[in-house]
Amino acid sequence: AQTVTQSQPEMSVQEAETVTLSCTYDTSESDYYLFWYKQPPSRQMILVIRQEAYKQQNATENRFSVNFQKAAKSFSLKISDSQLGDAAMYFCAYRDNYGGSQGNLIFGKGTKLSVKP
Amino acid sequence: ETGVTQTPRHLVMGMTNKKSLKCEQHLGHNAMYWYKQSAKKPLELMFVYNFKEQTENNSVPSRFSPECPNSSHLFLHLHTLQPEDSALYLCASSQLTGGQTDTQYFGPGTRLTVL
Repeated sequence: AQTVTQSQPEMSVQEAETVTLSCTYDTSESDYYLFWYKQPPSRQMILVIRQEAYKQQNATENRFSVNFQKAAKSFSLKISDSQLGDAAMYFCAYRDNYGGSQGNLIFGKGTKLSVKP
Repeated sequence: ETGVTQTPRHLVMGMTNKKSLKCEQHLGHNAMYWYKQSAKKPLELMFVYNFKEQTENNSVPSRFSPECPNSSHLFLHLHTLQPEDSALYLCASSQLTGGQTDTQYFGPGTRLTVL
């Protein structure tokens, strides 16, 4: 069964600095998607970025980028120029890219990111 | 706002009560999900509906009963819950095309407390 591991329960970053959140996963599949979701305190979980496993190029979304290492099964999130609004729980998630499981997401336990002014 | 709404946002109920959680998506999606989010645990998928048909039930106790009357609405009926069922219940939706599902969009959740 697929698993997702986030080894950092909490992280802290100074405003305007860069922080990297770690995520590793285990799967025997070769075709899948990976996601980072952000859940601010008492607010909705929103998609930050997603990566298709068949793409070698790392996904980027403005200040957010990933380092996708398929062989190592690693999918880290880098946040550049951190802002106070980046403070949230960040969840890494995996999804098979075939219809059998209806594309169900498997989540890690999350990393709580604090941003210091 | 992600286009997925949930009501109520907070619910306190006794173990003998019957209540329902409601989810509505305004994204035109055809797949909807219920998740349970407990402290210090990964999100747990409970139910999946595609085109109003339940396609997944992850060994959820029968005291949780889902209902999907159409592709835009999803309910979770609750009865005789236990205190350990206290959690944040999240609804999500996605578009199912050709057997593949796209990105899931989440609602704000219902914070449930069972006394």
